[in-house]
Amino acid sequence: SQELEQSPQSLIVQEGKNLTINCTSSKTLYGLYWYKQKYGEGLIFLMMLQKGGEEKSHEKITAKLDEKKQQSSLHITASQPSHAGIYLCGAYISSGSARQLTFGSGTQLTVLP
Amino acid sequence: SQTIHQWPATLVQPVGSPLSLECTVEGTSNPNLYWYRQAAGRGLQLLFYSVGIGQISSEVPQNLSASRPQDRQFILSSKKLLLSDSGFYLCAWSANGGYTQYFGPGTRLTVL
Repeated sequence: SQELEQSPQSLIVQEGKNLTINCTSSKTLYGLYWYKQKYGEGLIFLMMLQKGGEEKSHEKITAKLDEKKQQSSLHITASQPSHAGIYLCGAYISSGSARQLTFGSGTQLTVLP
Repeated sequence: SQTIHQWPATLVQPVGSPLSLECTVEGTSNPNLYWYRQAAGRGLQLLFYSVGIGQISSEVPQNLSASRPQDRQFILSSKKLLLSDSGFYLCAWSANGGYTQYFGPGTRLTVL
């Protein structure tokens, strides 16, 4: 099974709606990273969370890392077509090597105008 | 500011042919460098990483190899491509001592 589980796998929302993407690990996360990818392009770094309970925002995107540091959520407020793409979470997991950033399988977001 | 380049952007190669993908980083010194493969419908798989010139660590045994001939240059190679080598190859860098990775635009490789 995946070390990082993302849900949902895909999401279709109407423009203007709010949405949440989750990233869950069974192990402690040492640094949780959110990236966005458009099809056929590289990953764009959105934000990094490190401390339990930490919350960061970038424009209309907010990410939180829970107190136990095993789950993160990405929330988009008033979604726009520009938010469409694949959202990936990545983390250095306690069982991995120091240099191995483990990724979830991604959430495909479609925003309908 | 730092930028990362990859080329070529797309490549179609026959089975059994050699491969060379190049990645260069500008605006930083002594970066950590990474090669990932993203296969269709699957997540990102770390292939190689390097913490310095000539220092390569392999995460997955395979048909591929990596080299770092210069501080900001990372090359992914193969002597003979397999069909299973098809995928989207991404190069990334992080600052020396840092953990946030920044990705290049990727190379789409199709092996026929």
